[in-house]
Amino acid sequence: AQTVTQSQPEMSVQEAETVTLSCTYDTSESDYYLFWYKQPPSRQMILVIRQEAYKQQNATENRFSVNFQKAAKSFSLKISDSQLGDAAMYFCAYRSLNTGTASKLTFGTGTRLQVTL
Amino acid sequence: KAGVTQTPRYLIKTRGQQVTLSCSPISGHRSVSWYQQTPGQGLQFLFEYFSETQRNKGNFPGRFSGRQFSNSRSEMNVSTLELGDSALYLCASSLGGLALYNEQFFGPGTRLTVL
Repeated sequence: AQTVTQSQPEMSVQEAETVTLSCTYDTSESDYYLFWYKQPPSRQMILVIRQEAYKQQNATENRFSVNFQKAAKSFSLKISDSQLGDAAMYFCAYRSLNTGTASKLTFGTGTRLQVTL
Repeated sequence: KAGVTQTPRYLIKTRGQQVTLSCSPISGHRSVSWYQQTPGQGLQFLFEYFSETQRNKGNFPGRFSGRQFSNSRSEMNVSTLELGDSALYLCASSLGGLALYNEQFFGPGTRLTVL
């Protein structure tokens, strides 16, 4: 079974600064997807960024980028130019490519990000 | 296009009762997955339905069940409620077809409180 670990329960960043959220995972599979989801206080989960394990290039989406280290099973999220609207819980998630479990997301415990002025 | 909707948004029940939660996926989406979110256990996968069939199931007792209708709307049912069932229940929908990747879109959740 796959596991996802987020070792930072809370992080704080000043507006306009950069913050990195950490995530490690464990799997015996070679192909999979990794995700970062954002859950604001309103609770609706939003996809921030996706990484396919077979792609060596790190994914980027505007101010959000990842550092994917497949051998180390590490998948960190970097938020640049932090904004007040970035304050939320951030979840790292794993998804197998096995068609039998393809829709199942395995989540980490989350990191609460605070953005201060 | 309307997003994923869940009803009701809030629910209070007592131990021993049963409850039914509803999820309406995005139009055209045929897969609906359910997750339980609690402070202690985090986000855990309950089950997934695709084209009215349960395609995947998490590690939950048989008191948790679900179904999907021909219009892809899904319901989950929890019987004989326990205090530990208090949680935010999230559903997510996706196209669910043969493509390797179909993005999942989450609903706002149903907050269930068991007294």
